[in-house]
Amino acid sequence: AQKVTQAQTEISVVEKEDVTLDCVYETRDTTYYLFWYKQPPSGELVFLIRRNSFDEQNEISGRYSWNFQKSTSSFNFTITASQVVDSAVYFCALSGVMNTGFQKLVFGTGTRLLVSP
Amino acid sequence: DTEVTQTPKHLVMGMTNKKSLKCEQHMGHRAMYWYKQKAKKPPELMFVYSYEKLSINESVPSRFSPECPNSSLLNLHLHALQPEDSALYLCASSQDGGTSTDTQYFGPGTRLTVL
Repeated sequence: AQKVTQAQTEISVVEKEDVTLDCVYETRDTTYYLFWYKQPPSGELVFLIRRNSFDEQNEISGRYSWNFQKSTSSFNFTITASQVVDSAVYFCALSGVMNTGFQKLVFGTGTRLLVSP
Repeated sequence: DTEVTQTPKHLVMGMTNKKSLKCEQHMGHRAMYWYKQKAKKPPELMFVYSYEKLSINESVPSRFSPECPNSSLLNLHLHALQPEDSALYLCASSQDGGTSTDTQYFGPGTRLTVL
């Protein structure tokens, strides 16, 4: 069975601090995809990144960076110089294919990030 | 800007009402999804449509009835709901839903309150 664990329920930081959100996953598939989504208070889930299991290169996009380590089954997300607008719930998700042949996203329980001024 | 739109943004209904949630995507995707999200929980998959056919029903009660009139539109018809059905209902779309490579793009959601 597939599983995603986000052990940090809530993180509070002050603006301009760096913060890392942890994600650990379990899967028996050799090919899989990992995702991060941001959910601000408005409710919409905003897609941030997708990584496949064969690409362990770290990725940087502006203040966001992701560290994928297959050896530890982790896909951590770092926000550098956090801003108040980063306040949201962040979900890590693992993509698999159900036995019906259709994709299913397995979400972690989410980490609520609160950035105060 | 999201290319998946949902209406209404908020809905309050009684247990005897019939209402519908609407979702539209403008990305040419062939798979569309309904999710239910309770407060402080991750989204839970309800239904998957692929090429306008209902492909997955995750044991959802019959008081929720999905409909896919065409590849761009997805409806969720609600009837005789219970207060515990109050939640955020999210629509998503992806290329075709048949592989693990798809990225799902979500709409802003409809916040439903059942009195």
